[in-house]
Amino acid sequence: NAGVTQTPKFRVLKTGQSMTLLCAQDMNHEYMYWYRQDPGMGLRLIHYSVGEGTTAKGEVPDGYNVSRLKKQNFLLGLESAAPSQTSVYFCASSPGGRGLVGYTFGSGTRLTVV
Amino acid sequence: GENVEQHPSTLSVQEGDSAVIKCTYSDSASNYFPWYKQELGKRPQLIIDIRSNVGEKKDQRIAVTLNKTAKHFSLHITETQPEDSAVYFCAASTGYGNKLVFGAGTILRVKS
Repeated sequence: NAGVTQTPKFRVLKTGQSMTLLCAQDMNHEYMYWYRQDPGMGLRLIHYSVGEGTTAKGEVPDGYNVSRLKKQNFLLGLESAAPSQTSVYFCASSPGGRGLVGYTFGSGTRLTVV
Repeated sequence: GENVEQHPSTLSVQEGDSAVIKCTYSDSASNYFPWYKQELGKRPQLIIDIRSNVGEKKDQRIAVTLNKTAKHFSLHITETQPEDSAVYFCAASTGYGNKLVFGAGTILRVKS
């Protein structure tokens, strides 16, 4: 039982390049999330999904796209990377339904855009 | 939308002393308030949470209090130890999608 797994762990991109971050969970959770963490700003929600085939915008969605084709996977895409997207990205999941519970986070992806 | 403010941004205490971190939220519909601990280079880990129908919750040396009228909640750590040194985040959820809005974090340093 791995929980939430993120790949890659580190990546350096040049401005304008594209990449996809993969998040996989094996807990049969309905809800999945992508956050970015920047110094002094806490974690900010980029996009989220409340079930397979659904996605929605969070607080800071510009420059990112997501897909949830399978329940266990949530992909975050950067079509044209910018230096402002240098950050640590965390994926998280929660069971869903009416009960509110804390997230299980992945180990993070440190992305640097030069 | 929801806004969560967290204070202080840094907190230094002597080992054995207590530490208190405070958060305020703006959306009166928020009904779930978790606290996360993040060690350097690691993922955030849930340490305690409280729901809006409860005023206080304890788990060993950690406690959380909630004042719905004033829209603030606090984390209390007693008998602090060096391993409590980390960044602590509060968060609030308004329900749909269980979306959490996080505070900016508090760096806690426990000096031995």
